[in-house]
Amino acid sequence: ILNVEQSPQSLHVQEGDSTNFTCSFPSSNFYALHWYRWETAKSPEALFVMTLNGDEKKKGRISATLNTKEGYSYLYIKGSQPEDSATYLCAPSPSGYNKLIFGAGTRLAVHP
Amino acid sequence: NAGVTQTPKFQVLKTGQSMTLQCAQDMNHNSMYWYRQDPGMGLRLIYYSASEGTTDKGEVPNGYNVSRLNKREFSLRLESAAPSQTSVYFCASRIGNEKLLFGSGTQLSVL
Repeated sequence: ILNVEQSPQSLHVQEGDSTNFTCSFPSSNFYALHWYRWETAKSPEALFVMTLNGDEKKKGRISATLNTKEGYSYLYIKGSQPEDSATYLCAPSPSGYNKLIFGAGTRLAVHP
Repeated sequence: NAGVTQTPKFQVLKTGQSMTLQCAQDMNHNSMYWYRQDPGMGLRLIYYSASEGTTDKGEVPNGYNVSRLNKREFSLRLESAAPSQTSVYFCASRIGNEKLLFGSGTQLSVL
């Protein structure tokens, strides 16, 4: 079973604040790292799939970086808005495995 | 262009009853997954299928069985439902190591 850790567990910020959270995963046998956004009462939606060490991806105000050597990824949200309130999940995908195990997530609440 | 379709959307069972959750995708994806939503634990993998004819256990397989009937369909069966299986169940699929696409979920209550 993969040991995937996400921190913090929850986060409360004010509208306009920038924020970031961490996903830690085993660096051995790495193939890809997935980030998903999961709003309450909806289905999770993919944000990024990252494979290369040093990779950085961006989607609007959300960006992510990847360090495969030390086994972590950061997700950044610039100028948080109330609609960014959601749980953000990460899942590492090891080489040769189709299994996709999620971390427990970071629950973000953005207050107006 | 339906994507991933789950049925039913809601279900109430009594302890000991059995039922099958259905999942179908029309995107020619080779891998399919069943997850359950647990408070404080995010999504936990029950079973997955890397290709037609193969299935493998995930993190929490006890009390469940699966069938990959063909490339399109992946069903999850509860043989004897227990209150601990009250949850929201999500089916997902993907091709290769691409992103997962999720169904809309099945809300199951076991009384």
